[in-house]
Amino acid sequence: QITLKESGPALVQPTQTLTLTCTFSGFSLNTGGVGVGWIRQPPGKALEWLALIYWDGDPRYSPSLKNRLTITKDTSANHVVLTLTNVGPDDTGTYYCAHREAATAHFQDWGQGTLVTVS
Amino acid sequence: QTVVTQEPSFSVSPGGTVTLTCALSSGSVSTSHSPSWYQQTPGQAPRTLIYNINTRSSGVPDRFSGSILGDKAALTITGAQAEDEFDYHCMLYMGRGIWVFGGGTKLTVL
Repeated sequence: QITLKESGPALVQPTQTLTLTCTFSGFSLNTGGVGVGWIRQPPGKALEWLALIYWDGDPRYSPSLKNRLTITKDTSANHVVLTLTNVGPDDTGTYYCAHREAATAHFQDWGQGTLVTVS
Repeated sequence: QTVVTQEPSFSVSPGGTVTLTCALSSGSVSTSHSPSWYQQTPGQAPRTLIYNINTRSSGVPDRFSGSILGDKAALTITGAQAEDEFDYHCMLYMGRGIWVFGGGTKLTVL
């Protein structure tokens, strides 16, 4: 069974850096083609893809946020970490991490999400 | 910047058929975009419904189907039920490890 769980601060002050951790089980980020992504959703709004890290450590970022995002992995600990710098009120929302299976172009398994408020 | 557009809301009668669409701001949705669809109750995590255009995720009823209709991706619910009242999100793969979500469609069954 694949599970993912997001963790991080519920409240962040403007201009600070947000750091979120995705802890997963049931799959290995050492397996070729596998990835873990981050998606967020402001209250009452659409989902927004933010970033993904591949099994080989190759990161990919949303073009609109690439200058503020960093995604890293700790494969031995089954963690993926997302940092977002210089946060503002528009960064308030629920942040999800999700599992991308090898050779696919979708996110199959999702974490429950963690709500972050910038204030 | 790529924008993916969905109908903000849609209404269908119980037992009816509804097709939700997912369009690109510039160009057509094609097989290379590998459209996927997600079902969500506000406040809960999305559930994967359809991927790679028309493959149903495990446990998804066969009344849900995906396709490309003309220049858009489409999600069709045939024989809608009250329990299908959710938000539906499409996602397109833009290549080079970049994904884009649509704005979501709020489906009402009444």
